Amino acid sequence: GDSVTQMEGPVTLSEEAFLTINCTYTATGYPSLFWYVQYPGEGLQLLLKATKADDKGSNKGFEATYRKETTSFHLEKGSVQVSDSAVYFCALRVVGSQGNLIFGKGTKLSVKP
Amino acid sequence: DSGVTQTPKHLITATGQRVTLRCSPRSGDLSVYWYQQSLDQGLQFLIQYYNGEERAKGNILERFSAQQFPDLHSELNLSSLELGDSALYFCASSPRWDSSTDTQYFGPGTRLTVL
Repeated sequence: GDSVTQMEGPVTLSEEAFLTINCTYTATGYPSLFWYVQYPGEGLQLLLKATKADDKGSNKGFEATYRKETTSFHLEKGSVQVSDSAVYFCALRVVGSQGNLIFGKGTKLSVKP
Repeated sequence: DSGVTQTPKHLITATGQRVTLRCSPRSGDLSVYWYQQSLDQGLQFLIQYYNGEERAKGNILERFSAQQFPDLHSELNLSSLELGDSALYFCASSPRWDSSTDTQYFGPGTRLTVL
């Protein structure tokens, strides 16, 4: 079945460090890929998405490129801030697979000043 | 603010009881999804409605049911509650029912605690 695997956390970085959170997927069809972020005590917010191979999603300094050949959608940011501390979820959605999002387990990021 | 509203924000109840969670989708969205977030299971899809009709079911227990009303708001009913039902329940909405490219917008969630 369809699934998402993302790196286990927690990840602790110093401010201005480079961030990579790995995400790989398995899909029977052609998926769209998403990164959602959950700040403490809040719901999920869409961070970025990509709907076809080689697309790059970007938002708030975060980027991820849809790599069909490696079935990956790694999240990167060049310089993290304390305010980026949150849980990040990679997700996919395939047309016909009931239409719902399939999430990875989430990666908790803590950024220290 | 995603435009999706959920009430109540917190709910504390006892085992064996029944509760109703409410969700109002974003203006113009016809599709509503319910997800459960727990520490052991992560984020799991429960059920989807589109324009009043059930469209998809995920890992939803028989003790749980949902409906979507003509004004498009949705309710998730949880009955015969068990300790393991304690979780964060999210509602999400999107314009269409089966587009893989549509973004699903999430509400703030309802935290259910079963004592």
